[in-house]
Amino acid sequence: GAGVSQTPSNKVTEKGKYVELRCDPISGHTALYWYRQSLGQGPEFLIYFQGTGAADDSGLPNDRFFAVRPEGSVSTLKIQRTERGDSAVYLCASSSGGSSGDTQYFGPGTRLTVL
Amino acid sequence: AQSVAQPEDQVNVAEGNPLTVKCTYSVSGNPYLFWYVQYPNRGLQFLLKYITGDNLVKGSYGFEAEFNKSQTSFHLKKPSALVSDSALYFCAVRDIGSGAGSYQLTFGKGTKLSVIP
Repeated sequence: GAGVSQTPSNKVTEKGKYVELRCDPISGHTALYWYRQSLGQGPEFLIYFQGTGAADDSGLPNDRFFAVRPEGSVSTLKIQRTERGDSAVYLCASSSGGSSGDTQYFGPGTRLTVL
Repeated sequence: AQSVAQPEDQVNVAEGNPLTVKCTYSVSGNPYLFWYVQYPNRGLQFLLKYITGDNLVKGSYGFEAEFNKSQTSFHLKKPSALVSDSALYFCAVRDIGSGAGSYQLTFGKGTKLSVIP
């Protein structure tokens, strides 16, 4: 079946611009996660949704970052006033939900480059 | 706070030899432990996990890992390495005693495995 998909695969923007990154989870998965992976590092947690609500947004670095999941399926990560330090691969994952033992399945990521 | 250490940035092994990729963790409660593999320009692929039960966990592609609570370790192993196993391996932990935070994964920095023909 279809896995997690993310669009765009690459995004180049200029410092100060606004960007949106999209994630389509595996069909039927109620839990959705965003992570950020900088070069040479492991992924770092940003935010977790259970259904439409953000159950844990403790990883968002500051108020320039925001994510939504209005219908409990597709999610959008929004970054305002981008900075060069925001350059990274943004990974989305989904799981069937309910249990913290559920496996998270990752998408291919969106590589964001801020010039 | 939870953390994961992967003490080796790179592991080199000859094809056909056994391989081990090391992982230690720190949590305040009980851990759920995971291994993922990342191939160049691709996302993370799930290999295996320890939730409860038998300390030896078997996963995809012949990989296995052993949960050792006293040593707080979860080393990844394979009896006979293949060239196609060359990739970046990440260990991750969830602290199931941390409330809403128990759903987030904390990853190590990754270990690059090179299998030499």
